[in-house]
Amino acid sequence: AQSVTQPDIHITVSEGASLELRCNYSYGATPYLFWYVQSPGQGLQLLLKYFSGDTLVQGIKGFEAEFKRSQSSFNLRKPSVHWSDAAEYFCAVGPPYNQGGKLIFGQGTELSVKP
Amino acid sequence: DTEVTQTPKHLVMGMTNKKSLKCEQHMGHRAMYWYKQKAKKPPELMFVYSYEKLSINESVPSRFSPECPNSSLLNLHLHALQPEDSALYLCASSQVGGGTADTQYFGPGTRLTVL
Repeated sequence: AQSVTQPDIHITVSEGASLELRCNYSYGATPYLFWYVQSPGQGLQLLLKYFSGDTLVQGIKGFEAEFKRSQSSFNLRKPSVHWSDAAEYFCAVGPPYNQGGKLIFGQGTELSVKP
Repeated sequence: DTEVTQTPKHLVMGMTNKKSLKCEQHMGHRAMYWYKQKAKKPPELMFVYSYEKLSINESVPSRFSPECPNSSLLNLHLHALQPEDSALYLCASSQVGGGTADTQYFGPGTRLTVL
């Protein structure tokens, strides 16, 4: 079955510290991979995506993610967290070719930032 | 420009009311989506329109009725809703055709409260 696992429901980091949010997926083929961020009461904003090529992808707001095929993982990282990064983060996977456009989301990781 | 707009931002309705949610995009996308999101949960897909035709209905109750009048507009008509339908309703759009085309861009959502 296709699934996405975000093992950490809630993470707290200090401002200025580094961050890594984990994402593992189960899929028949290499899917398209996405990270979205959602501030309270807001829509989802695309941080970055991976379709093919270089396995280290850069996104907006200083985020990056690395695709590791052998580990079926797509972890999100940021070297120095800012207080404004506090939000909910969703990892999502989609089919490698247009097959209905269904995204499968993980359960989300809530990030809190300590001053 | 990767903007999807949604109106209204907030909606309160009684169980006997009829209301509509509206979504608009001007990115030339030909796939549009409705999602429902409960607090602290990932978005759940409700409907997908591809080239203005309904392509996916995730067994959504008939009290939700989608409509895609043209390639830029997506409506969700609401009638006889239940309190458990209270949620954030998100619209998204994407190109159709595989590759980077499948990236979904989300609107800010409509916060619906059913009394």
